[in-house]
Amino acid sequence: DVKVTQSSRYLVKRTGEKVFLECVQDMDHENMFWYRQDPGLGLRLIYFSYDVKMKEKGDIPEGYSVSREKKERFSLILESASTNQTSMYLCASSFRFGYTFGSGTRLTVV
Amino acid sequence: GQQLNQSPQSMFIQEGEDVSMNCTSSSIFNTWLWYKQEPGEGPVLLIALYKAGELTSNGRLTAQFGITRKDSFLNISASIPSDVGIYFCAGQGGDDKIIFGKGTRLHILP
Repeated sequence: DVKVTQSSRYLVKRTGEKVFLECVQDMDHENMFWYRQDPGLGLRLIYFSYDVKMKEKGDIPEGYSVSREKKERFSLILESASTNQTSMYLCASSFRFGYTFGSGTRLTVV
Repeated sequence: GQQLNQSPQSMFIQEGEDVSMNCTSSSIFNTWLWYKQEPGEGPVLLIALYKAGELTSNGRLTAQFGITRKDSFLNISASIPSDVGIYFCAGQGGDDKIIFGKGTRLHILP
């Protein structure tokens, strides 16, 4: 089975800090995605990548950037964390049909 | 953009009851997917449907890909406490992009 690993389950960061959320998948998938999940809003796509060094904006990219230097790793970067970025962040990877999700990182910005 | 309407948003049922939830869209999809998310975890794929009219079961779960390709439903028979969670539908179009519904939160009363 595909495994998608997110480096942290819980993070607490201060406003203005630069935050890195790491995601690694072990099945050589080309496609990787970052979502945030908030109550009542469902899953919202932040950024995605179809290949190494390639990135595309999703529906809510503001305040975020990403990095894909290696096929297996897709990093989400909060350049200057703000309290409205407190959320559950989910990474996913796919080949074609369906996504495999990581367990999520619950980020709290104080 | 494309949107999925998933209903109901929340359900409270008695243990042992059958459950039905559905998703509709104004757009046609090539694949319908149903995920379950348990507290503190990422969504996990339950059932994938690849062609219109397809009816697929996974244990007590049954899902159907609507004939119009614009809807899908998920049924859970004889619910048990471990069925608690959020159920997401997702549609995948020709561009392989996946659109998620906002989820149905299932609560089971003893």
